Amino acid sequence: DTAVSQTPKYLVTQMGNDKSIKCEQNLGHDTMYWYKQDSKKFLKIMFSYNNKELIINETVPNRFSPKSPDKAHLNLHINSLELGDSAVYFCASGLAGGRNTGELFFGEGSRLTVL
Amino acid sequence: GNSVTQMEGPVTLSEEAFLTINCTYTATGYPSLFWYVQYPGEGLQLLLKATKADDKGSNKGFEATYRKETTSFHLEKGSVQVSDSAVYFCALLLSGGGADGLTFGKGTHLIIQP
Repeated sequence: DTAVSQTPKYLVTQMGNDKSIKCEQNLGHDTMYWYKQDSKKFLKIMFSYNNKELIINETVPNRFSPKSPDKAHLNLHINSLELGDSAVYFCASGLAGGRNTGELFFGEGSRLTVL
Repeated sequence: GNSVTQMEGPVTLSEEAFLTINCTYTATGYPSLFWYVQYPGEGLQLLLKATKADDKGSNKGFEATYRKETTSFHLEKGSVQVSDSAVYFCALLLSGGGADGLTFGKGTHLIIQP
Protein backbone atom coordinates (compact mmCIF):
# COMPACT_ATOMS: atom_id res chain seq x y z
CA ASP A 1 0.00 0.00 0.00
CA THR A 2 1.77 3.12 -1.25
CA ALA A 3 2.29 5.76 1.46
CA VAL A 4 2.48 8.82 -0.82
CA SER A 5 1.05 8.37 -4.28
CA GLN A 6 1.03 10.83 -7.15
CA THR A 7 -0.72 10.71 -10.49
CA PRO A 8 0.08 10.83 -13.26
CA LYS A 9 3.64 9.53 -13.24
CA TYR A 10 4.32 10.95 -16.70
CA LEU A 11 2.69 13.89 -18.39
CA VAL A 12 3.52 15.22 -21.86
CA THR A 13 1.65 18.28 -23.02
CA GLN A 14 1.83 21.33 -25.24
CA MET A 15 2.75 24.86 -24.21
CA GLY A 16 -0.23 26.88 -23.09
CA ASN A 17 -2.23 23.94 -21.77
CA ASP A 18 -3.51 23.57 -18.22
CA LYS A 19 -2.72 20.39 -16.27
CA SER A 20 -3.07 18.96 -12.77
CA ILE A 21 -1.05 16.55 -10.68
CA LYS A 22 -2.72 14.78 -7.78
CA CYS A 23 -1.18 13.60 -4.53
CA GLU A 24 -2.54 11.51 -1.71
CA GLN A 25 -0.92 10.27 1.49
CA ASN A 26 -2.24 7.57 3.81
CA LEU A 27 0.22 8.17 6.64
CA GLY A 28 -2.01 10.44 8.69
CA HIS A 29 0.48 13.31 8.39
CA ASP A 30 -0.50 16.93 9.00
CA THR A 31 1.69 18.47 6.38
CA MET A 32 2.16 18.03 2.65
CA TYR A 33 4.61 19.61 0.24
CA TRP A 34 5.31 20.09 -3.42
CA TYR A 35 8.92 20.12 -4.61
CA LYS A 36 10.23 20.74 -8.11
CA GLN A 37 13.33 18.87 -9.32
CA ASP A 38 15.04 20.22 -12.42
CA SER A 39 17.16 18.35 -14.95
CA LYS A 40 20.25 18.80 -12.77
CA LYS A 41 18.45 17.12 -9.84
CA PHE A 42 18.20 20.38 -7.89
CA LEU A 43 15.22 20.24 -5.50
CA LYS A 44 13.26 23.37 -4.66
CA ILE A 45 10.31 23.61 -2.35
CA MET A 46 7.26 25.19 -3.92
CA PHE A 47 4.46 24.92 -1.38
CA SER A 48 3.60 23.39 1.93
CA TYR A 49 0.21 22.88 3.51
CA ASN A 50 -0.60 22.13 7.11
CA ASN A 51 -4.09 20.78 7.70
CA LYS A 52 -5.36 22.31 4.46
CA GLU A 53 -3.81 25.69 5.23
CA LEU A 54 -1.05 27.14 3.03
CA ILE A 55 2.12 27.65 5.07
CA ILE A 56 4.99 28.02 2.62
CA ASN A 57 4.60 29.62 -0.76
CA GLU A 58 7.99 30.11 -2.31
CA THR A 59 8.53 32.37 -5.26
CA VAL A 60 6.71 30.45 -7.93
CA PRO A 61 4.61 31.93 -10.74
CA ASN A 62 0.96 32.34 -9.87
CA ARG A 63 0.21 29.97 -12.74
CA PHE A 64 0.87 27.30 -10.12
CA SER A 65 -2.02 26.84 -7.73
CA PRO A 66 -2.06 24.18 -5.01
CA LYS A 67 -5.33 22.90 -3.62
CA SER A 68 -5.82 20.82 -0.51
CA PRO A 69 -9.37 19.46 -0.19
CA ASP A 70 -8.42 17.62 2.99
CA LYS A 71 -5.22 16.93 4.87
CA ALA A 72 -4.60 13.68 2.99
CA HIS A 73 -4.62 15.33 -0.45
CA LEU A 74 -2.61 18.09 -2.07
CA ASN A 75 -3.11 18.70 -5.76
CA LEU A 76 -1.07 20.97 -8.02
CA HIS A 77 -2.73 22.78 -10.88
CA ILE A 78 -0.63 24.54 -13.50
CA ASN A 79 -2.09 27.03 -15.97
CA SER A 80 -0.63 28.16 -19.28
CA LEU A 81 2.25 25.71 -19.23
CA GLU A 82 5.66 26.93 -20.37
CA LEU A 83 8.76 25.08 -21.56
CA GLY A 84 10.54 25.93 -18.31
CA ASP A 85 7.92 24.06 -16.32
CA SER A 86 9.35 20.78 -17.58
CA ALA A 87 10.65 19.00 -14.49
CA VAL A 88 9.87 16.22 -12.05
CA TYR A 89 7.41 17.30 -9.38
CA PHE A 90 7.52 15.51 -6.05
CA CYS A 91 4.84 15.43 -3.44
CA ALA A 92 5.91 14.74 0.15
CA SER A 93 4.30 14.51 3.55
CA GLY A 94 5.51 14.78 7.13
CA LEU A 95 4.63 15.82 10.65
CA ALA A 96 4.44 19.46 11.67
CA GLY A 97 5.17 21.70 14.58
CA GLY A 98 6.79 20.12 17.61
CA ARG A 99 6.49 16.70 15.99
CA ASN A 100 8.38 17.78 12.89
CA THR A 101 11.33 15.40 12.85
CA GLY A 102 12.40 16.43 9.37
CA GLU A 103 11.59 13.05 7.94
CA LEU A 104 9.61 13.51 4.79
CA PHE A 105 7.99 10.73 2.80
CA PHE A 106 8.15 11.32 -0.92
CA GLY A 107 6.03 10.11 -3.77
CA GLU A 108 7.68 8.63 -6.85
CA GLY A 109 7.44 11.88 -8.76
CA SER A 110 5.50 13.14 -11.75
CA ARG A 111 7.63 13.88 -14.80
CA LEU A 112 6.14 16.79 -16.72
CA THR A 113 7.37 17.47 -20.25
CA VAL A 114 6.14 20.60 -21.99
CA LEU A 115 6.62 20.63 -25.78
CA GLY B 1 19.52 32.66 4.93
CA ASN B 2 19.85 28.93 5.31
CA SER B 3 21.73 26.92 2.73
CA VAL B 4 23.43 23.59 2.14
CA THR B 5 26.49 23.09 -0.04
CA GLN B 6 27.60 19.68 -1.19
CA MET B 7 30.16 18.46 -3.65
CA GLU B 8 29.00 18.36 -7.23
CA GLY B 9 29.02 15.09 -9.07
CA PRO B 10 29.08 12.79 -10.61
CA VAL B 11 31.33 10.90 -8.25
CA THR B 12 32.49 7.64 -9.81
CA LEU B 13 34.06 4.92 -7.68
CA SER B 14 34.87 1.25 -7.97
CA GLU B 15 33.06 -1.30 -5.86
CA GLU B 16 34.48 -1.65 -2.32
CA ALA B 17 36.07 1.81 -2.45
CA PHE B 18 35.78 4.26 0.47
CA LEU B 19 33.21 6.99 -0.02
CA THR B 20 33.09 10.54 1.27
CA ILE B 21 30.54 13.10 0.11
CA ASN B 22 31.14 16.50 1.65
CA CYS B 23 28.34 18.66 3.00
CA THR B 24 28.53 22.03 4.74
CA TYR B 25 25.73 24.29 5.85
CA THR B 26 24.88 27.81 6.90
CA ALA B 27 21.94 28.37 9.19
CA THR B 28 20.53 31.17 11.31
CA GLY B 29 19.84 28.81 14.18
CA TYR B 30 20.64 25.30 15.34
CA PRO B 31 19.48 22.92 12.63
CA SER B 32 18.87 19.20 12.40
CA LEU B 33 20.83 17.61 9.55
CA PHE B 34 19.87 14.87 7.15
CA TRP B 35 21.04 12.76 4.26
CA TYR B 36 18.41 11.65 1.79
CA VAL B 37 18.98 9.19 -1.07
CA GLN B 38 17.20 9.02 -4.41
CA TYR B 39 17.54 5.74 -6.32
CA PRO B 40 16.90 5.84 -10.08
CA GLY B 41 13.26 6.44 -10.92
CA GLU B 42 12.20 6.84 -7.30
CA GLY B 43 11.41 9.58 -4.82
CA LEU B 44 13.76 10.58 -2.04
CA GLN B 45 13.99 8.57 1.15
CA LEU B 46 15.65 9.37 4.44
CA LEU B 47 19.04 7.71 4.82
CA LEU B 48 20.18 9.09 8.18
CA LYS B 49 19.95 12.12 10.42
CA ALA B 50 21.50 13.90 13.40
CA THR B 51 19.80 16.46 15.59
CA LYS B 52 22.62 17.90 17.71
CA ALA B 53 26.34 18.51 17.68
CA ASP B 54 28.57 15.41 17.75
CA ASP B 55 25.62 13.12 17.02
CA LYS B 56 26.40 10.41 14.50
CA GLY B 57 23.68 9.18 12.18
CA SER B 58 24.11 5.77 10.58
CA ASN B 59 22.18 3.44 8.31
CA LYS B 60 23.00 0.76 5.70
CA GLY B 61 26.72 1.16 6.38
CA PHE B 62 26.63 4.93 5.82
CA GLU B 63 27.62 7.36 8.58
CA ALA B 64 27.69 11.11 9.10
CA THR B 65 28.70 13.14 12.15
CA TYR B 66 27.24 16.54 13.01
CA ARG B 67 30.22 18.88 13.36
CA LYS B 68 29.08 22.26 14.67
CA GLU B 69 32.58 23.74 14.73
CA THR B 70 33.04 23.16 11.00
CA THR B 71 29.31 23.34 10.11
CA SER B 72 29.65 20.04 8.30
CA PHE B 73 27.85 16.73 7.94
CA HIS B 74 29.98 14.63 5.60
CA LEU B 75 28.62 11.27 4.43
CA GLU B 76 30.96 8.27 4.56
CA LYS B 77 30.86 4.59 3.77
CA GLY B 78 33.74 2.18 4.13
CA SER B 79 33.01 -0.10 1.18
CA VAL B 80 30.50 0.91 -1.47
CA GLN B 81 28.44 -1.46 -3.59
CA VAL B 82 26.95 -1.10 -7.06
CA SER B 83 23.52 -0.87 -5.41
CA ASP B 84 24.62 2.36 -3.69
CA SER B 85 24.52 4.16 -7.05
CA ALA B 86 22.04 6.98 -6.52
CA VAL B 87 21.76 10.72 -5.94
CA TYR B 88 22.50 11.81 -2.36
CA PHE B 89 21.06 14.98 -0.86
CA CYS B 90 22.23 16.72 2.26
CA ALA B 91 19.51 18.76 3.98
CA LEU B 92 18.80 20.83 7.04
CA LEU B 93 15.74 21.67 9.06
CA LEU B 94 15.33 24.67 11.32
CA SER B 95 12.32 23.78 13.33
CA GLY B 96 10.34 26.80 14.40
CA GLY B 97 7.13 24.91 14.46
CA GLY B 98 4.58 24.75 11.69
CA ALA B 99 5.16 23.12 8.35
CA ASP B 100 8.80 24.08 7.87
CA GLY B 101 10.29 22.52 4.80
CA LEU B 102 13.70 20.97 4.46
CA THR B 103 16.43 22.96 2.72
CA PHE B 104 18.26 20.63 0.35
CA GLY B 105 21.69 20.77 -1.20
CA LYS B 106 21.98 20.34 -4.96
CA GLY B 107 22.54 16.60 -4.76
CA THR B 108 25.57 14.46 -5.56
CA HIS B 109 25.23 11.75 -8.17
CA LEU B 110 27.19 8.66 -7.10
CA ILE B 111 28.10 6.00 -9.65
CA ILE B 112 29.64 2.73 -8.45
CA GLN B 113 31.28 0.57 -11.09
CA PRO B 114 31.71 -3.19 -10.63
